[in-house]
Amino acid sequence: SAVISQKPSRDICQRGTSLTIQCQVDSQVTMMFWYRQQPGQSLTLIATANQGSEATYESGFVIDKFPISRPNLTFSTLTVSNMSPEDSSIYLCSVDPGHVVNYGYTFGSGTRLTVV
Amino acid sequence: SQQGEEDPQALSIQEGENATMNCSYKTSINNLQWYRQNSGRGLVHLILIRSNEREKHSGRLRVTLDTSKKSSSLLITASRAADTASYFCARGGSNYKLTFGKGTLLTVNP
Repeated sequence: SAVISQKPSRDICQRGTSLTIQCQVDSQVTMMFWYRQQPGQSLTLIATANQGSEATYESGFVIDKFPISRPNLTFSTLTVSNMSPEDSSIYLCSVDPGHVVNYGYTFGSGTRLTVV
Repeated sequence: SQQGEEDPQALSIQEGENATMNCSYKTSINNLQWYRQNSGRGLVHLILIRSNEREKHSGRLRVTLDTSKKSSSLLITASRAADTASYFCARGGSNYKLTFGKGTLLTVNP
């Protein structure tokens, strides 16, 4: 299975600023997914990022707030823009197991974001 | 939206005991997956059961799936303190997206 390097692992940011989170995969993958996990909660899908096309956002998430880049098949970034304390969460990237729908997904180690 | 509901929300057991966690879902699935998360870190895939399977084993893990009841259970046998973590079920659909349940926080006391 793929190995994902996610950076930064944690950050404390001032409100109104932006943070870009990076995920680097050790192999080429078709789809990458970005999740948010609010404190004590489960994972909520923010968007799906395919190389060469715009990310597809889930209900409640917009591109202006969470711009995503996917410049190639091994890398993606998620930016949390104009942050407020409500954005304090763990953000995780994930990759699909290839064109086989019945394999487990691989996750990055997460970015713990605190907005003050 | 979250379509997996898990119970219990929290479970505390002694080392050596078995732990059972349940997951229910509302719509059709290609597969049902279970993940573990230690202390708010990344998720680790534990086991996947396909929609046409009823039971699957992996080491100390046993997963069952009842598609007629839209439910699954994860059994961890002979638990260890290192099993302390949050466990999530995730519904795998045809669109490659995963929909996660609320999770069960398992505490295994030494």
